[in-house]
Amino acid sequence: GQSLEQPSEVTAVEGAIVQINCTYQTSGFYGLSWYQQHDGGAPTFLSYNALDGLEETGRFSSFLSRSDSYGYLLLQELQMKDSASYFCAVGGGDKLIFGTGTRLQVFP
Amino acid sequence: NAGVTQTPKFQVLKTGQSMTLQCAQDMNHEYMSWYRQDPGMGLRLIHYSVGAGITDQGEVPNGYNVSRSTTEDFPLRLLSAAPSQTSVYFCASHLGGSGGEQYFGPGTRLTVT
Repeated sequence: GQSLEQPSEVTAVEGAIVQINCTYQTSGFYGLSWYQQHDGGAPTFLSYNALDGLEETGRFSSFLSRSDSYGYLLLQELQMKDSASYFCAVGGGDKLIFGTGTRLQVFP
Repeated sequence: NAGVTQTPKFQVLKTGQSMTLQCAQDMNHEYMSWYRQDPGMGLRLIHYSVGAGITDQGEVPNGYNVSRSTTEDFPLRLLSAAPSQTSVYFCASHLGGSGGEQYFGPGTRLTVT
């Protein structure tokens, strides 16, 4: 089976940098994805790492270490609109299995 | 493109009633999935399909049926609704080889009393 662990909540102030960690256990690994979900909305895709290393997309970066079964999402120059839930997910072939999510609250 | 559409947006059922949640996508994606989301539980995979005529169970399939007769549609059936099925249901689709990028519908909020 698969399981993922991520912190339940993170708080930060505008302009700061925050890192959301994700550790996983899976019997077969394709890659690690990150999704953002605002309250009342649908999840939206942020990033996907299949290989070790850092992927950067604007203010957001995602990192993967396959040997450590670990990844993180890094959010820079935080804005109020970044307040949302963030989910890591393993898979990438035919299906995804999601973690329980991290609620990020950004304060002015 | 409309993307992934789901109907209805809201639904209230009585225990024991049956209903079908509709999901359609117009992106010609081979893969489609159904998830349920409960507070503090994240998204849990119910069923998924890798193409027309092919479906498989996810993490929490009990109490739900699916079929995939066309590429576009992937309905989710609740045969006999139970209060434990009160949840928000999301449908998603993606292309094969797209890595982890799935496109989600707006969701159906279901309450079973």
